[in-house]
Amino acid sequence: ILNVEQSPQSLHVQEGDSTNFTCSFPSSNFYALHWYRWETAKSPEALFVMTLNGDEKKKGRISATLNTKEGYSYLYIKGSQPEDSATYLCAFPTGTASKLTFGTGTRLQVTL
Amino acid sequence: GAVVSQHPSWVICKSGTSVKIECRSLDFQATTMFWYRQFPKQSLMLMATSNEGSKATYEQGVEKDKFLINHASLTLSTLTVTSAHPEDSSFYICSAESSGEETQYFGPGTRLLVL
Repeated sequence: ILNVEQSPQSLHVQEGDSTNFTCSFPSSNFYALHWYRWETAKSPEALFVMTLNGDEKKKGRISATLNTKEGYSYLYIKGSQPEDSATYLCAFPTGTASKLTFGTGTRLQVTL
Repeated sequence: GAVVSQHPSWVICKSGTSVKIECRSLDFQATTMFWYRQFPKQSLMLMATSNEGSKATYEQGVEKDKFLINHASLTLSTLTVTSAHPEDSSFYICSAESSGEETQYFGPGTRLLVL
């Protein structure tokens, strides 16, 4: 059974704080790691697809890093805003490149 | 771009009835569509993968006769929960992927409550 683990389970920060959370995955047979942002009552939104060890990707105030040798990825949010409040999911392909196994997510709440 | 719609967004039905959920890719052709289920406080669990024009591939433990999947066109896949029972109450969400793409684009999900 493939385990994709995310921590922390939930996080509550103040507006302007920077934050980060972790996705851990099996380091063997790595293909790619996906990050999604899921706001309540909306569709999960694709943030990043990470494929190379040491990769760093950025989208506005959000960035992600990847360590395939030790099996983890970090997602960073700089200067959190209330609109960043969402559940952040990571997913790891298993079997084929398209079959994703998801973590349970990190629920972020940003307050004023 | 890359919008996926899902209908209905929520449904309440009586035990024993069948419920059909539609998943549409609105602005791209989806060669592959995926159906997931999420129970409270759990992760999204893949139920089945469907390719346009062929039979769906079901994950272990998912009954194909219970969850009928049809992917008749490059923009539409349907999931029918047959003879629904209260234990089928869950959140069902689809995603779509076009050929050569790494990213799956998700619909907003359907919450099913079986009484």
